[in-house]
Amino acid sequence: DVKVTQSSRYLVKRTGEKVFLECVQDMDHENMFWYRQDPGLGLRLIYFSYDVKMKEKGDIPEGYSVSREKKERFSLILESASTNQTSMYLCASSFDNQPQHFGDGTRLSIL
Amino acid sequence: SQQGEEDPQALSIQEGENATMNCSYKTSINNLQWYRQNSGRGLVHLILIRSNEREKHSGRLRVTLDTSKKSSSLLITASRAADTASYFCATAERGYLFFGTGTRLTVIP
Repeated sequence: DVKVTQSSRYLVKRTGEKVFLECVQDMDHENMFWYRQDPGLGLRLIYFSYDVKMKEKGDIPEGYSVSREKKERFSLILESASTNQTSMYLCASSFDNQPQHFGDGTRLSIL
Repeated sequence: SQQGEEDPQALSIQEGENATMNCSYKTSINNLQWYRQNSGRGLVHLILIRSNEREKHSGRLRVTLDTSKKSSSLLITASRAADTASYFCATAERGYLFFGTGTRLTVIP
């Protein structure tokens, strides 16, 4: 079974901090994704990566950056956290055009 | 830009009844996928239907796709309390998925 692991289930940070959210998958998937999920808005794609060191902007990349130095790891970075970035963050991975496998999410609160 | 739009937003039924959720989308798709999310957890893939397919079954799930109407439906038969979750449709476009806002299903024991 594919396992996508997000480093934290819950995280509390302060405005202006640099925040790192980590995601690791164990199935050698090329594609990895970061979404945020907010009530009434569904899932929105922040960034995705289809290979090591490759990244593409999704629908809402502003305020975020990503890093993919190794195939199994995809990091989401909030350069200077703001309260409107309080949300549930979900990481996913997939092989080619196959369905995506999700982690359990990180509920991030920015105070 | 979201593709899918689920209807209804919330659905409450008795155990044993069937649950139907609908999804409408806006542009041409390669495939449409349905996912389930238990409270506080990640999404789990349920079923994928390709644009050249009209109906697909998986256990108690039945998915239909009407590309002329740009709509899909998910039917869960003989529902169980454990089916309580949010259900999302997602359309595949440009190499990634666009998700709808989901239908919250509650199955009352």
